[in-house]
Amino acid sequence: DAKTTQPPSMDCAEGRAANLPCNHSTISGNEYVYWYRQIHSQGPQYIIHGLKNNETNEMASLIITEDRKSSTLILPHATLRDTAVYYCIVREGDSSYKLIFGSGTRLLVRP
Amino acid sequence: EAQVTQNPRYLITVTGKKLTVTCSQNMNHEYMSWYRQDPGLGLRQIYYSMNVEVTDKGDVPEGYKVSRKEKRNFPLILESPSPNQTSLYFCASSRPTKSYSYNEQFFGPGTRLTVL
Repeated sequence: DAKTTQPPSMDCAEGRAANLPCNHSTISGNEYVYWYRQIHSQGPQYIIHGLKNNETNEMASLIITEDRKSSTLILPHATLRDTAVYYCIVREGDSSYKLIFGSGTRLLVRP
Repeated sequence: EAQVTQNPRYLITVTGKKLTVTCSQNMNHEYMSWYRQDPGLGLRQIYYSMNVEVTDKGDVPEGYKVSRKEKRNFPLILESPSPNQTSLYFCASSRPTKSYSYNEQFFGPGTRLTVL
């Protein structure tokens, strides 16, 4: 079973912030949250990951709630090239490296 | 250039004809994995490997085999392909960290397989 829940689709205007939510209510204490995106049928691309604290890199910011049951990926200034499917992923278990991808959110950035 | 390569990129075959999809990475990564992607189902993990000679099943391992004889290579073998294995396949690699998390996975460009 998928460990994350994401809205199937979202849209935003070019130049505005895109905020993509993810619920992971059963996450355990040392599981990380990862975000990837897939543009068309290309290989998925890593965006960011985090454990407890908010994280920021050149692509995006990741906001994790204090109870760690949900997170939000923020693309601060969305461009048309950010149109993609965004996957929120948690790593399963404390001793397993198995990944479970959710169904993802299809983000459409409008001109 | 750091990369994951897959071959072939496109393959059309017939039911029952054994095939191998190769995956190679040049980043000295310990962890490698195979996924398949089908419309409406997202990515599903087939098999993964923590290091040479260490492999384990993912979510959808039936009908597939893998081997990890060398660190850089992780071929996916379909001994007797069937039409329900028609899919888009991705290989990925990563270097695990000590804390059981791991850094980004690098994905290959994909192999589109059609089994008639």
